[in-house]
Amino acid sequence: GAVVSQHPSWVICKSGTSVKIECRSLDFQATTMFWYRQFPKQSLMLMATSNEGSKATYEQGVEKDKFLINHASLTLSTLTVTSAHPEDSSFYICSATTRGETQYFGPGTRLLVL
Amino acid sequence: EDQVTQSPEALRLQEGESSSLNCSYTVSGLRGLFWYRQDPGKGPEFLFTLYSAGEEKEKERLKATLTKKESFLHITAPKPEDSATYLCAVQATQDSSASKIIFGSGTRLSIRP
Repeated sequence: GAVVSQHPSWVICKSGTSVKIECRSLDFQATTMFWYRQFPKQSLMLMATSNEGSKATYEQGVEKDKFLINHASLTLSTLTVTSAHPEDSSFYICSATTRGETQYFGPGTRLLVL
Repeated sequence: EDQVTQSPEALRLQEGESSSLNCSYTVSGLRGLFWYRQDPGKGPEFLFTLYSAGEEKEKERLKATLTKKESFLHITAPKPEDSATYLCAVQATQDSSASKIIFGSGTRLSIRP
C-alpha cells in the first residue's frame, strides 16, 4: 500500500518551454500533496504544499508563477515549470499524505533544461 | 526555529559491523519523527514513524529509537544492500501546515563487502 507514482521519470527540454510533471497516489486518497526539489548530494527542499481543491501554499523564495501547482483530485497533483531555464534543472519529488500523517514519496522526476 | 541535524554526514562500515546514525531535533512540539531511506536517483522510501519518547520500532536489520531530543537508527550486521542515504524528518505540532515536515541533511551509509 501507499504507492505514489510520478510521470515522467526523465524529461529534457529546451530553454523557454514549459514542462508538466504528474504525481499520483495509486492506492489511497491524498488530502495533501507536497512538491520538493533536490540538488545533488543535498537534502529535500520543500517547494509547496497543495490540498485538493484549493490553492497551493508556496515556501518562501519559490516563485508561484514559475512553478504552477494544481491538485485537481484526491489522487492527482501536477507541477508545471513554466518557461524553464537551465537553472531549473533538478530532481523534483512529490509526496502524498492522508490526514496529515506519514508522507509517501514518488520516485522523482529528473528535469534537464538545455 | 525548528531544526533537524543528522550525524555523521557519511559513514563507511564493513559488512557485519553494527553502528548507529543520529538525528537531533529542535521543535516547538513534536508530532512525529520519520526515517526514510533514499537510493541514488530515487525518491525516499518510508521506514519508520515515531511519536513519543521511549518508542522503538524495528524492521529487519534496522531499529529506530526516540528520546525527547534525538532519534537513533541502529543498523545491526549490515549488508551491502543497506548502502543508501538515510533521512530523518520531523513534524511539528504547531506548524501552520499541519502535515509539513522538516528534513535533516541525511547520512550517506556505505557498507563494504
